[in-house]
Amino acid sequence: AQKVTQAQTEISVVEKEDVTLDCVYETRDTTYYLFWYKQPPSGELVFLIRRNSFDEQNEISGRYSWNFQKSTSSFNFTITASQVVDSAVYFCALSEGSFNKFYFGSGTKLNVKP
Amino acid sequence: DAMVIQNPRYQVTQFGKPVTLSCSQTLNHNVMYWYQQKSSQAPKLLFHYYDKDFNNEADTPDNFQSRRPNTSFCFLDIRSPGLGDAAMYLCATSRGEAGGGYEQYFGPGTRLTVT
Repeated sequence: AQKVTQAQTEISVVEKEDVTLDCVYETRDTTYYLFWYKQPPSGELVFLIRRNSFDEQNEISGRYSWNFQKSTSSFNFTITASQVVDSAVYFCALSEGSFNKFYFGSGTKLNVKP
Repeated sequence: DAMVIQNPRYQVTQFGKPVTLSCSQTLNHNVMYWYQQKSSQAPKLLFHYYDKDFNNEADTPDNFQSRRPNTSFCFLDIRSPGLGDAAMYLCATSRGEAGGGYEQYFGPGTRLTVT
């Protein structure tokens, strides 16, 4: 069974639209960590956010916001007023246990059109 | 400013000809990872080093080997590349204290082509 599911394979929006990328995870551990990474066409994965399982506070960073809900095992990512530079593949990842192994979702490709 | 550096960025090798990819880091992290990423897929962990301890993923082919001569450098050796090994290879680093949960910092990747 997949530990991290990103059901949206590809999303296309027009610039300035808001967009939410979904992430659903599965774990039996009580302590775990969730991450979002951005992978632009250049290829490098860029770290966006880390969340531990004990902190359900939502977070906002500029146009980015994250909604962590343990009740639904989801860690969704919203981009407000999207821009063309937001076009990339976004990966959600889970880390559990004592080792820092990441379980990546399959990624969501976001196309922002001018 | 570069924190995780990979060389070369693009590598072309012939079928069966050994190739080495390199990774260096300035973060002084004790854990280094190698991932393989094929088109439109998530990165797949090949192995990692926790300090000098090498840890192979169960499904990593024997064709892939790694060396970590010191904290800063790590190498990925592909002994006999096949056409199926063409991919982006990503190096990452993280802190490694007990408990895990640390963000990994990725290099820009090396795109390997096998002809």
